[in-house]
Formats: sequence, structure tokens, C-alpha cells
Amino acid sequence: GQSLEQPSEVTAVEGAIVQINCTYQTSGFYGLSWYQQHDGGAPTFLSYNALDGLEETGRFSSFLSRSDSYGYLLLQELQMKDSASYFCAYRGGGFKTIFGAGTRLFVKA
Amino acid sequence: DVKVTQSSRYLVKRTGEKVFLECVQDMDHENMFWYRQDPGLGLRLIYFSYDVKMKEKGDIPEGYSVSREKKERFSLILESASTNQTSMYLCASRSGGPADTQYFGPGTRLTVL
Repeated sequence: GQSLEQPSEVTAVEGAIVQINCTYQTSGFYGLSWYQQHDGGAPTFLSYNALDGLEETGRFSSFLSRSDSYGYLLLQELQMKDSASYFCAYRGGGFKTIFGAGTRLFVKA
Repeated sequence: DVKVTQSSRYLVKRTGEKVFLECVQDMDHENMFWYRQDPGLGLRLIYFSYDVKMKEKGDIPEGYSVSREKKERFSLILESASTNQTSMYLCASRSGGPADTQYFGPGTRLTVL
């Protein structure tokens, strides 16, 4: 089948680094995406990895290992505004995208 | 900036009513999607469209239908609303390239009484 697993909640302190992991099972795979969603808001795109390795965009980085069916989102220098839900999603064969259930990140002062 | 708009932010309907949710995007994207979002379940794909008049079922299409007569507009139809269709409905669009960047609308919170 097709599925993704990510932790339901993560808590970290302001200024710290946090890593949100995502493992997937799929019969076809194009790439792994990450989205951020604040309470009451729409998901917004953060990053996309089609190849193995680390992609860096400012304080956020995303990593993919296709051989391990594993990826993670790394958030550095955490700020209170980073408190949100983070979803990993993969694009399999065709046009569909499958989303994980989301990880709720709580940033404490 | 890509803009995806949805016809209503909040909607209250009665069981058995026919409900139309509309989504419009302004970036000439080929692909459009309808998801529903429920606590603890993430985003689940209802239907998607990869081009005008083309549509495919997602993972939970039962009780829903869609229409895409123009490239910029993708409508979700609940033929006979039921209480288990109370949810947040999110529309998204994506260009036709290999990347998976989806742009979401603000969502419609639908309550079926």
C-alpha cells in the first residue's frame, strides 16, 4: 500500500533545532514534499526533494534517502512563529500526492 | 503570487442538501485537487483533475463528484450532504511539471446538520 508515518507531536524550545522524520511506503515514488500549516490557515509549501541529499532554504532544510524510504525536515533557530503542523507528502506515480497525518510542533519560550 | 480562492470560508447545510464548493486559481495550472482535512487524519484526496474536463478519483471519492469545465475552476459537489461530510475542504492547484508544489486555497469549513 501507500502510506507515510510521522510523529504526531514534537516540542522544542525557542532557538533550538528540531528534526521531524517521515518514513514512507509506496510502490512508486517521484519525490517528498513538506508543508507547513498554522492553525486556521491553509497548508503552504516548504520544500521538495526528488533526489537524495539535503536541500536548504534559510532556516529550514529537508533531507531525503530514497534507499531508506526516509526523509526529514530540519528547523533551525526555532522561533515561536514556527509553532504549526508540518506535513510530509509524496508524489507517487501519476498525479496523486499522498499526505502524512501531520506533526504538531510546539515551540516553547 | 499564485492565488487560489474558494467560494466560502464557512458553510452550514442540512442533511440531504446538494452542496457546491467552488475553487478558482489564477496561475494557469493544469492540475487541481480537492482534499478534506479532519483532525488526526491529515489531508485526504477526494478528487483531482489533471486537465480541463479530466478527472480522477482520489482515496475517498464516495459521496462526492467534481466538475472542471474551465482550466481555472474546479468544483466539488456533494450530491446529498450527510453529517459525516462535516469537515474542512481544501482546494489546491499545481503546475504540470515534475515538482510537487501545490498551492492551497484558504479552505471551506462545512458543517452538515
